[in-house]
Amino acid sequence: GAGVSQSPSNKVTEKGKDVELRCDPISGHTALYWYRQRLGQGLEFLIYFQGNSAPDKSGLPSDRFSAERTGESVSTLTIQRTQQEDSAVYLCASSPTMASSNTEAFFGQGTRLTVV
Amino acid sequence: QQPVQSPQAVILREGEDAVINCSSSKALYSVHWYRQKHGEAPVFLMILLKGGEQKGHDKISASFNEKKQQSSLYLTASQLSYSGTYFCGTPTSNFGNEKLTFGTGTRLTIIP
Repeated sequence: GAGVSQSPSNKVTEKGKDVELRCDPISGHTALYWYRQRLGQGLEFLIYFQGNSAPDKSGLPSDRFSAERTGESVSTLTIQRTQQEDSAVYLCASSPTMASSNTEAFFGQGTRLTVV
Repeated sequence: QQPVQSPQAVILREGEDAVINCSSSKALYSVHWYRQKHGEAPVFLMILLKGGEQKGHDKISASFNEKKQQSSLYLTASQLSYSGTYFCGTPTSNFGNEKLTFGTGTRLTIIP
């Protein structure tokens, strides 16, 4: 596609429910990132996929959070038993190569998650 | 560990200059700069790769001091369109499987 696509753009869920967020990276991009951005806050790293390597999950805040990526395509971020503190915008970004030191990251528009 | 940015917020009148700093306690191999307008996704500005490298983009430029583990973003003769939150991003290493970690952000407001 032309850019990174995320769906849904907005999600309102009840506390305790599971949610699944989707990210379609730019075709051919091997690197994919998930970030969380709370209102007025910075970009909090969650997880990083690079090709077929084991993902870097060091940013996932709890075992309620998990993510998968099929090859170098779509990724899903799943939050189980959602809590109000999970309310935030979840941003996905992709990058052409594994060496992010000299390639830019392209961001999607994000999914705004509201837990009520 | 995420890089630290300063200041956290700044308000300028149109035409004034600003400097945003980004520093890290870890060795830096490169620094990315992004701008995020309210309600939008972050957008890439530039990457600095070498120690002492400087780059420019319109009236926005940046420098990277690898030895001091810091980078600065310079906005000259600021325009209303420069308003937004600026983030620096740094890879955790210069080898494979590095992740991009962003700073705390600097909110820039330009007023007429």
